[in-house]
Amino acid sequence: EAGVAQSPRYKIIEKRQSVAFWCNPISGHATLYWYQQILGQGPKLLIQFQNNGVVDDSQLPKDRFSAERLKGVDSTLKIQPAKLEDSAVYLCASSLDLRAEAFFGQGTRLTVV
Amino acid sequence: SQKIEQNSEALNIQEGKTATLTCNYTNYSPAYLQWYRQDPGRGPVFLLLIRENEKEKRKERLKVTFDTTLKQSLFHITASQPADSATYLCALLNQAGTALIFGKGTTLSVSS
Repeated sequence: EAGVAQSPRYKIIEKRQSVAFWCNPISGHATLYWYQQILGQGPKLLIQFQNNGVVDDSQLPKDRFSAERLKGVDSTLKIQPAKLEDSAVYLCASSLDLRAEAFFGQGTRLTVV
Repeated sequence: SQKIEQNSEALNIQEGKTATLTCNYTNYSPAYLQWYRQDPGRGPVFLLLIRENEKEKRKERLKVTFDTTLKQSLFHITASQPADSATYLCALLNQAGTALIFGKGTTLSVSS
């Protein structure tokens, strides 16, 4: 079974630039998560989708972050404009439903300089 | 709001000993709690899920307990090996049941 795919693996941008991350969840998984993980901390939930609807985006900085999940499958997370403090690993995960275990991708390591 | 505390940032033990990691949570009692393992440069990997009506759950050398009175889960690795060295994260659904939230993690180092 294919796992959660994320791209790119690494990204370096200058502050005030924009960046987008892509995630392809496991086939059939209704729930999709985007987490931000800063070095030395646990994953912090940014947004959670159930199919193509948003379940929770209370921690998403909506002035600069946006996310969409078209047709309830792939998802993109965008940051515009980026700040230095956005440097982190961005993890995508999926699960069968809200109460099942989550499967994570390898993450995208973003460095903002 | 829901808070998860993994009160040891790092735990160092000798090979063969039992490692015990703690996860405490505040406010409400979740219906279940999950444990994940994360290796450097990789995403977390699911290990075990324990429900509120289960006191204990085992999988090979892993054991998880769930005490809803103490609002605490303990994660044990028996006969630990250097390959068990990693960061271990606990996670639970928030009170609204809309978000899977994680603790900060405990980094376990097993020396031979």
